[in-house]
Amino acid sequence: QVQLVESGGGLVKPGESLTLSCAASGFTFSDYYMSWIRQAPGKGLEWVSYIGSSGTYTRYADSVKGRFTISRDNAKNSLYLQMNSLRAEDTAVYYCARRIEGGDDYWGQGTLVTVSS
Amino acid sequence: QSVLTQPPSVSAAPGQKVTISCSGSSSNIGNNYVSWYQQLPGTAPKLLIYDNSKRPSGIPDRFSGSKSGTSATLGITGLQTGDEADYYCGTWDSSLSVVMFGGGTKLTVL
Repeated sequence: QVQLVESGGGLVKPGESLTLSCAASGFTFSDYYMSWIRQAPGKGLEWVSYIGSSGTYTRYADSVKGRFTISRDNAKNSLYLQMNSLRAEDTAVYYCARRIEGGDDYWGQGTLVTVSS
Repeated sequence: QSVLTQPPSVSAAPGQKVTISCSGSSSNIGNNYVSWYQQLPGTAPKLLIYDNSKRPSGIPDRFSGSKSGTSATLGITGLQTGDEADYYCGTWDSSLSVVMFGGGTKLTVL
């Protein structure tokens, strides 16, 4: 069965960096686009980024463009989100998800990132 | 404030039907597929509907999706207390080249 397991969240100070990972299993990882989506405490879903199946095609939300970098290692069935210059407003649960043409069909359980001094 | 507009809350009695609307524009809903997600309290979102009206395997046919012009609708029939959740619509915006979600609708089954 499809499984997505995020890791790497934690408490960081404003301006610091953090890298999230998502381990995928149960499907041919290299065949799918992958997404990062976040949810601030008590708020709705906010799309962050997605990456094409080979890793060459990426898109970012304006709120993270220039600060976050999405990448993948198809040999390791892993997705990453490098987050630099973190701000308080980046505090959220970060989900990785498998993207299909009409939506995101499988989601991980999420990892919490807290940015606070 | 989301570009995709959903009502903040809806409610209905067990066994009844409810619809949740998602309003956008020609650059998003009008020309792209819509998906719907259910988020039960304390859990990750789950895909309910994709490609406007298709259900992933395992999603009961009590859930349905439709699209007309720049609006989409999620329908839920035979409401159960276990359907109490937040529901989100999502789509691609061709002008902005971004994925977007609605603000979410909290369903209460009275």
